[in-house]
Amino acid sequence: NAGVTQTPKFRILKIGQSMTLQCTQDMNHNYMYWYRQDPGMGLKLIYYSVGAGITDKGEVPNGYNVSRSTTEDFPLRLELAAPSQTSVYFCASSYPGQLSPLHFGNGTRLTVT
Amino acid sequence: DAKTTQPNSMESNEEEPVHLPCNHSTISGTDYIHWYRQLPSQGPEYVIHGLTSNVNNRMASLAIAEDRKSSTLILHRATLRDAAVYYCILREGTDKLIFGTGTRLQVFP
Repeated sequence: NAGVTQTPKFRILKIGQSMTLQCTQDMNHNYMYWYRQDPGMGLKLIYYSVGAGITDKGEVPNGYNVSRSTTEDFPLRLELAAPSQTSVYFCASSYPGQLSPLHFGNGTRLTVT
Repeated sequence: DAKTTQPNSMESNEEEPVHLPCNHSTISGTDYIHWYRQLPSQGPEYVIHGLTSNVNNRMASLAIAEDRKSSTLILHRATLRDAAVYYCILREGTDKLIFGTGTRLQVFP
């Protein structure tokens, strides 16, 4: 199993550009999450999804959009990139339930200049 | 969301035990205590979780205070590969996992 796969690994955007961060998992997990991690800080939850067609906001959703059309994929869209969105983005997935551990991808490092 | 408090950093020597503390005085009866760690340049990985009783697995042990207002992650013999940021998280409900700033563990040879 590949687990949680994120693409691209690195990306540099100019202010105002748009892009989609891709996340796919092959573990048939219902739940998927997007986090961002600024330098030296902990992870902040952006959006999460408990199943196909269902998404909800996390702690820091402004400036981002998500969709969940399949169980496997949970793309994160940045419409108008801003320098404040420079961060490392992590996607994760899990089974339902308070005891189910999250499985994380290796992240996408995004720089907006 | 219930909060946790952890020291910013700790140090250990290789092959010594490490006790990583976490305070969670506002924990509710249904909150599970989860620990994750993040190795350099990687996503976090699950370490262990517990509710009331002490827990052991191949990676670590989790000691939970009787009043559940604090817990301690125990690495029995630290290795250089255990150098990471360790996050103590209270998981309420099933949907979200909210991270704090964690404890950066340095391990010296």
